[in-house]
Amino acid sequence: EVQLVESGGALVQPGASLRLSCAASGFTFSGYSMNWVRQAPGKGLEWVSYISSTGETMFHADSVQGRFTISRDNAKNLVSLQMNSLRDEDTAVYFCASAGVLTGYYKFGFDYWGPGTLVTVSS
Amino acid sequence: QSALTQPRSVSGSPGQSVTISCTGTSSDVGANKYVSWYQQHPGKAPKLMIYDVDKRPSGVPDRFSGSKSANTASLTISGLQAEDEADYYCYSFAGSYTFVLFGGGTKLTVL
Repeated sequence: EVQLVESGGALVQPGASLRLSCAASGFTFSGYSMNWVRQAPGKGLEWVSYISSTGETMFHADSVQGRFTISRDNAKNLVSLQMNSLRDEDTAVYFCASAGVLTGYYKFGFDYWGPGTLVTVSS
Repeated sequence: QSALTQPRSVSGSPGQSVTISCTGTSSDVGANKYVSWYQQHPGKAPKLMIYDVDKRPSGVPDRFSGSKSANTASLTISGLQAEDEADYYCYSFAGSYTFVLFGGGTKLTVL
């Protein structure tokens, strides 16, 4: 059974840093790209970051470019999101999501999702 | 690039059919088959319902179907059931620059 479990969410002040992690199991982690998607309270889904299966290629949304960095450790089946210079508008539930495990190709979308972890940025 | 456009809400009675539209541009929805749909119940993670425009993952009822015409994709739910009441989001791969777009979400109410 595929499982994704996020951790690291917290209440932090504007300008602070936070690191989220996502532990994966139930599939060959090193063979698939991974993503972070967030959802602000009462709002829709927003894609945040992508990392290829090898970790060589990364993309970030314009809204987080230069502040957030996605990384992965294939030996530990972990994907992380380093978030720096946090702003009020980064407040959201952050979901870790796989791509291509079920659908066969990463461009088809996000097939498995974790339950999410809440990040609150407030003074 | 702006989010894909979905109606804010749709509704239907049990047993009826509803269709949710998702309008993009020739650079995203209209450009390829990389369109998918997600169901999200309150407080839960999204669940993949349709991918590759019209394919259903194993376990998704065949009451859910997807289609696309030009720059607009659609999700049709037939034989509505109470448990279908949820938010639905469309997704499109939008190329190496924008990468991914989501629709704003549609709240489905089963009357």
